[in-house]
Amino acid sequence: DIVLTQAPLSVSVTPGESASISCRSSKSLLSSKGITSLYWYLQKPGKSPQLLIYRMSNLASGVPDRFSGSGSETDFTLKISKVETEDVGVYYCAQFLEYPYTFGAGTKLELK
Amino acid sequence: EVQLVESGGGLVKPGSSLKLSCVASGFTFSSYGMHWIRQAPKKGLEWIALIYYDSSNKYYADSVKGRFTISRDNSKNTLYLEMNSLRSEDTAMYYCAKVTDYWGQGVMVTVSS
Repeated sequence: DIVLTQAPLSVSVTPGESASISCRSSKSLLSSKGITSLYWYLQKPGKSPQLLIYRMSNLASGVPDRFSGSGSETDFTLKISKVETEDVGVYYCAQFLEYPYTFGAGTKLELK
Repeated sequence: EVQLVESGGGLVKPGSSLKLSCVASGFTFSSYGMHWIRQAPKKGLEWIALIYYDSSNKYYADSVKGRFTISRDNSKNTLYLEMNSLRSEDTAMYYCAKVTDYWGQGVMVTVSS
């Protein structure tokens, strides 16, 4: 199975500052079609996860452009510039390249 | 607006069966693969099953293979998860999801004696 390792597991950020979350894959997530199948989700408290970034660097519909995704075949970063109070929650990376699909352990973002 | 509404959860005893449903609206259900993903209390996310848009292929996590069955009825815009031989470790919030983008609000399944 592909293992996704997120770091840090928790981060405390002052509103208005930026935050970065890392996700490292045990295997390349680049498909034969040239698509990197790495996704980022945010689960706000008491809610179901919502898609932020798809295919490593594409912003999902309705997601503020304060969020951005980048990376290589195995190392990925979610960056949140100018963190706002509504950004609080747990961030998960996920791979949909091969079965079983897997998720990172999650990174909890809190405000200082 | 895409909506996914799960139902059918509850408290059951170990070894019991349960069938979850997920009614979809706001998109052409018959054109998309659908997943079930679960989250144990205070834990992370675990993908458990996928069904292709036309039911031609189904995939399962090892943790549920042979016990759970994913199915769909495109005429009713409904996704199902039939769960047999339930164990305490199956206790979780169960989410249905449209491909990779939209998730339902979830339904709780508790397996306890």
